[in-house]
Amino acid sequence: KAGVTQTPRYLIKTRGQQVTLSCSPISGHRSVSWYQQTPGQGLQFLFEYFSETQRNKGNFPGRFSGRQFSNSRSEMNVSTLELGDSALYLCASSSGWRDDYEQYFGPGTRLTVT
Amino acid sequence: AQSVTQLGSHVSVSEGALVLLRCNYSSSVPPYLFWYVQYPNQGLQLLLKYTSAATLVKGINGFEAEFKKSETSFHLTKPSAHMSDAAEYFCAVIPFHGSSNTGKLIFGQGTTLQVKP
Repeated sequence: KAGVTQTPRYLIKTRGQQVTLSCSPISGHRSVSWYQQTPGQGLQFLFEYFSETQRNKGNFPGRFSGRQFSNSRSEMNVSTLELGDSALYLCASSSGWRDDYEQYFGPGTRLTVT
Repeated sequence: AQSVTQLGSHVSVSEGALVLLRCNYSSSVPPYLFWYVQYPNQGLQLLLKYTSAATLVKGINGFEAEFKKSETSFHLTKPSAHMSDAAEYFCAVIPFHGSSNTGKLIFGQGTTLQVKP
């Protein structure tokens, strides 16, 4: 079974631009969660989608948004990029059902904002 | 609110020595706890999980962890360190809203394990 894939793996953007990151979950999984990892703040939860609906959201500004498609693939968008948005963005896939708590992570997208 | 604290941002052991990485949680209800490992330039890999079954949980690569409710701890151990264990380790808890899986992991700050030859 193929794992979680994220594209692109590396990205360099300029302040003020916007960026879209993509995540394809494990086949059959309906939940995708997104996390931001930085040296200063560690791993922080952005949001989670299940069956195309956002079920949960972390404490990030509205510049961070996401969506999920009918095939469970998910995208996250960051608008008006700031230097502080430089981070590793990880997505995690799970079945999404109540009794299944395991999350499987992709390799991440390394975003650098200059 | 549930949280996780990892004691020690860096741990150094010799190859063949015991590995002990500490994790304490705060939770008003029985938590679900996880240990993940992250190698350089990679995502997170699940080592093991506690979901209220056996208190001693065995994971991959020879790691295990013991859930101790009285101490609110979930420390990760491995009897004999190997050079390939050098990585960053994260303890995490998943909070619930009622009986719903929130899909949200709360992570500790991580512990970097160095293994010396």
